[in-house]
Amino acid sequence: EAQVTQNPRYLITVTGKKLTVTCSQNMNHEYMSWYRQDPGLGLRQIYYSMNVEVTDKGDVPEGYKVSRKEKRNFPLILESPSPNQTSLYFCASSLYGQGGNIQYFGAGTRLSVL
Amino acid sequence: ILNVEQSPQSLHVQEGDSTNFTCSFPSSNFYALHWYRWETAKSPEALFVMTLNGDEKKKGRISATLNTKEGYSYLYIKGSQPEDSATYLCASTPNAGGTSYGKLTFGQGTILTVHP
Repeated sequence: EAQVTQNPRYLITVTGKKLTVTCSQNMNHEYMSWYRQDPGLGLRQIYYSMNVEVTDKGDVPEGYKVSRKEKRNFPLILESPSPNQTSLYFCASSLYGQGGNIQYFGAGTRLSVL
Repeated sequence: ILNVEQSPQSLHVQEGDSTNFTCSFPSSNFYALHWYRWETAKSPEALFVMTLNGDEKKKGRISATLNTKEGYSYLYIKGSQPEDSATYLCASTPNAGGTSYGKLTFGQGTILTVHP
């Protein structure tokens, strides 16, 4: 089954404790992206990757890191989480990154930083 | 940051009503406009992606139009059903060279509630 898999689905952590949210897709998609969703603010793009080893900042990259060493994986790293990073996070992928391709979203990761 | 705005913020209709929402976006450096449907406790699902001025797309009772010159898109739902209740999101991709094609800026969404 074609899918985008995020782990974990739920995470409670404390300020400053490094964490990684994994994202994997099995559709051989070139493009992957991370978003956060906050009430009243809609979905905001954190980082995206056009292909392996090609990443770029979205609208809200501060406090996050990403890497794209393999085509299927695009982990989101919070090196020193803070309470303002409490949010619902979505990973998405599409065949190409030319903007005209639909994105497939993962199930989401709900993160709470205390 | 591109400004993508949607209206109305929320909408309540009766089963069988037809309805429409608006998405406005900066018309300069435009590349593509996306529509997604997002049900509570689920992930957003793509409805349409449109790139050309005058594009019209249809999927069952849902259709969308695109005007890139004036920077707006309409989403129409004909004969709304309770299962159409969801948040409808639009998002715009710029054409600003380099890897800008990967940027996607979402509007805040229109929350549709269809009452039986």
